[in-house]
Amino acid sequence: GEDVEQSLFLSVREGDSSVINCTYTDSSSTYLYWYKQEPGAGLQLLTYIFSNMDMKQDQRLTVLLNKKDKHLSLRIADTQTGDSAIYFCAETPNRDDKIIFGKGTRLHILP
Amino acid sequence: DTGVSQNPRHKITKRGQNVTFRCDPISEHNRLYWYRQTLGQGPEFLTYFQNEAQLEKSRLLSDRFSAERPKGSFSTLEIQRTEQGDSAMYLCASSLPGSPTYEQYFGPGTRLTVT
Repeated sequence: GEDVEQSLFLSVREGDSSVINCTYTDSSSTYLYWYKQEPGAGLQLLTYIFSNMDMKQDQRLTVLLNKKDKHLSLRIADTQTGDSAIYFCAETPNRDDKIIFGKGTRLHILP
Repeated sequence: DTGVSQNPRHKITKRGQNVTFRCDPISEHNRLYWYRQTLGQGPEFLTYFQNEAQLEKSRLLSDRFSAERPKGSFSTLEIQRTEQGDSAMYLCASSLPGSPTYEQYFGPGTRLTVT
């Protein structure tokens, strides 16, 4: 079946790195994503990784994919107050068009 | 074009009433998706269209729900005889056909509260 799991909360001090982890069950997933949702705002695609990649870096964001363990992580370097949001891990099952989302990790920034 | 738009942004209705939401996709985006997000959960896929054709429906879409896209542009999602469990954020997304699914662009959503 298709399932995406992630921890619900993470607290990080401003300036530190945040690491949000996710596991998924569908080994045929083609794309894996990280979305950001701020209060009152829509879903914003932060970054994505294709299933044949191990790592992707985009400015302060680093995505690591371990296909063997079906584990995806998002590292945010130098976390800022503006990074406070809910982060959703998501996947696209093979040859499918819908996106399967996790429940989201609420990132709280400590001063 | 400023992106996917949804109307209304908020809707409060009494149990048993019918409600209809509208989604206007990005122009030239042939695919249109509906998702539902309940409190504390991630978005869940409901259905999607390519042009006028509804290609897939989730088991979450009960008989009380109907989605249409009559001219292949905007779409409506109607919920009949609303129940308190229908309270959620209803999200719409659009994409070009054949594009990788990371190119689904989401609207701001319609928040439904059923009292």
